[in-house]
Amino acid sequence: GEDVEQSLFLSVREGDSSVINCTYTDSSSTYLYWYKQEPGAGLQLLTYIFSNMDMKQDQRLTVLLNKKDKHLSLRIADTQTGDSAIYFCARGGATNKLIFGTGTLLAVQP
Amino acid sequence: GAVVSQHPSWVICKSGTSVKIECRSLDFQATTMFWYRQFPKQSLMLMATSNEGSKATYEQGVEKDKFLINHASLTLSTLTVTSAHPEDSSFYICSAREGGGGADEQYFGPGTRLTVT
Repeated sequence: GEDVEQSLFLSVREGDSSVINCTYTDSSSTYLYWYKQEPGAGLQLLTYIFSNMDMKQDQRLTVLLNKKDKHLSLRIADTQTGDSAIYFCARGGATNKLIFGTGTLLAVQP
Repeated sequence: GAVVSQHPSWVICKSGTSVKIECRSLDFQATTMFWYRQFPKQSLMLMATSNEGSKATYEQGVEKDKFLINHASLTLSTLTVTSAHPEDSSFYICSAREGGGGADEQYFGPGTRLTVT
């Protein structure tokens, strides 16, 4: 399987919370990241977490890291239509490379 | 701060021609730049890593003679797709890393959509 995997699609209603999940196989990364990509655009770094942390909160975003299960999640509180995009998790690899997940398309219904 | 631009935003070229894509860090010096390609509805695949003043390091399966990378200065890297074929049509995204310690934050350009006819 892929090194970093995500579910392909998530649909939520505006105002609800969204939880996007990511699993990985290589646990050697120091940092794990969440990026947002809007249609036809590059990637925007949303947040990152150091590998020795369990949780990081940044305004509406909460990142949870379970190192034992190699599971990373991104929770978006009070999801808005402007949050509709593709979300990629990524782990830092050797020589500063980023290894991206397969991406999750978040669709927010008004 | 930390803005990365790409030029052109989109390009259409004929098979057999070469296309050059520029990646610039506008307000910081990028010790390392990365080139990715992204097929529709797929993830980003790293093509190569370039450090200013040295040869690029290509990922396995990427033809270095076909995808020429030049990192001539701390603010500019170029990717030239030589003898382009329709299968080279893709979305090419660069990123730049400022360097230093801490999180390996990369700043991404807006991407260049290449269509080869």
